Amino acid sequence: SAVISQKPSRDICQRGTSLTIQCQVDSQVTMMFWYRQQPGQSLTLIATANQGSEATYESGFVIDKFPISRPNLTFSTLTVSNMSPEDSSIYLCSVEDPGDRGVYGYTFGSGTRLTVV
Amino acid sequence: QKEVEQNSGPLSVPEGAIASLNCTYSDRGSQSFFWYRQYSGKSPELIMFIYSNGDKEDGRFTAQLNKASQYVSLLIRDSQPSDSATYLCAVPRAGTALIFGKGTTLSVSS
Repeated sequence: SAVISQKPSRDICQRGTSLTIQCQVDSQVTMMFWYRQQPGQSLTLIATANQGSEATYESGFVIDKFPISRPNLTFSTLTVSNMSPEDSSIYLCSVEDPGDRGVYGYTFGSGTRLTVV
Repeated sequence: QKEVEQNSGPLSVPEGAIASLNCTYSDRGSQSFFWYRQYSGKSPELIMFIYSNGDKEDGRFTAQLNKASQYVSLLIRDSQPSDSATYLCAVPRAGTALIFGKGTTLSVSS
């Protein structure tokens, strides 16, 4: 199964600043996905990142607020820009994973817990 | 209509009982369905993947899929306190990203 290293694991940031979250995968993947999980809520898809093209954003998420980079097939970053307390959430990256012995699924990074003060 | 719908619960069952979690989806063309478990403060972990109508069993877990009714369920037999978590139903959209339901919080009392 794919292994994703996500960092930072948590951060406390001042409003108006930006934070960049990194995800490194131990294998090459075509698409990487970024999610937000607000307190007590489920996962909401922010965007899909393909290598060599612009990320595709979901309704309600815009590139100026959540710029994404995908420089190669094993790495991606998500930046949360001009942060406000409403951005306090857990951010997760994910990849589609053919897994071992045909066990198919999607693997997640360990998450970044962001608190904006 | 939301793409994936779940009853958020909480669902409370005694230890040893069967917990039944339900999910409906809107895209009749969906082919595969996932159940994830998420403990508080942790990332989601895959429990079951199902793509054929009928039942799929793995240990104490059984996933049931009915494509005609656009309904997928998860049964947990012999529930244990360690099963207390939020269970997330998810469906890939057009073969890409997973779209999640709101999740059902399960509490198993000893």
